[in-house]
Amino acid sequence: EAQVTQNPRYLITVTGKKLTVTCSQNMNHEYMSWYRQDPGLGLRQIYYSMNVEVTDKGDVPEGYKVSRKEKRNFPLILESPSPNQTSLYFCASSLGYATNEKLFFGSGTQLSVL
Amino acid sequence: DAKTTQPTSMDCAEGRAANLPCNHSTISGNEYVYWYRQIHSQGPQYIIHGLKNNETNEMASLIITEDRKSSTLILPHATLRDTAVYYCIVRVPMRFGAGTRLTVKP
Repeated sequence: EAQVTQNPRYLITVTGKKLTVTCSQNMNHEYMSWYRQDPGLGLRQIYYSMNVEVTDKGDVPEGYKVSRKEKRNFPLILESPSPNQTSLYFCASSLGYATNEKLFFGSGTQLSVL
Repeated sequence: DAKTTQPTSMDCAEGRAANLPCNHSTISGNEYVYWYRQIHSQGPQYIIHGLKNNETNEMASLIITEDRKSSTLILPHATLRDTAVYYCIVRVPMRFGAGTRLTVKP
């Protein structure tokens, strides 16, 4: 089944403890992206990647890192999480970075930073 | 920078057509109009997209005005399971605004 898989689904951590949220897609997609969703603010893009080893900042990249060493994986790294990074995170992918490519989303990761 | 304007919320009676409008007056010639929806806190789900012509699939129909400055998503026979937030997007990389919260009522 074609899908975008995020793990974990729920995560509770403490301030400053490094964490990684994994994202994997099995559709051979070139484009991958991370979003965060907060009440009243909609989905905001954190980082995106147009292909392996190519990443770029979205609208809210501060406090996050990403890597794209393989086509299928695009992990989101929080080196020193803070409470303001408590949010619902979504990974998404599409075949390419073009105007007519639809995005496929993962099920989300609910992160709480205490 | 193509932006979209959607009503904050709408109601629809079960079994009736739901018509969700979107204004995108600054859309560029090569930008597609996309519609996604998000049910509760699930990942957004693709519904439909189009460039100039009207489009229809198993989920919905998309009507784009001739000047491309606005569009309407039509759910022909809304069900309770169509209650969701609907997003209209017209640029890449995709930016999701607040969308329209559609509530389908019995």
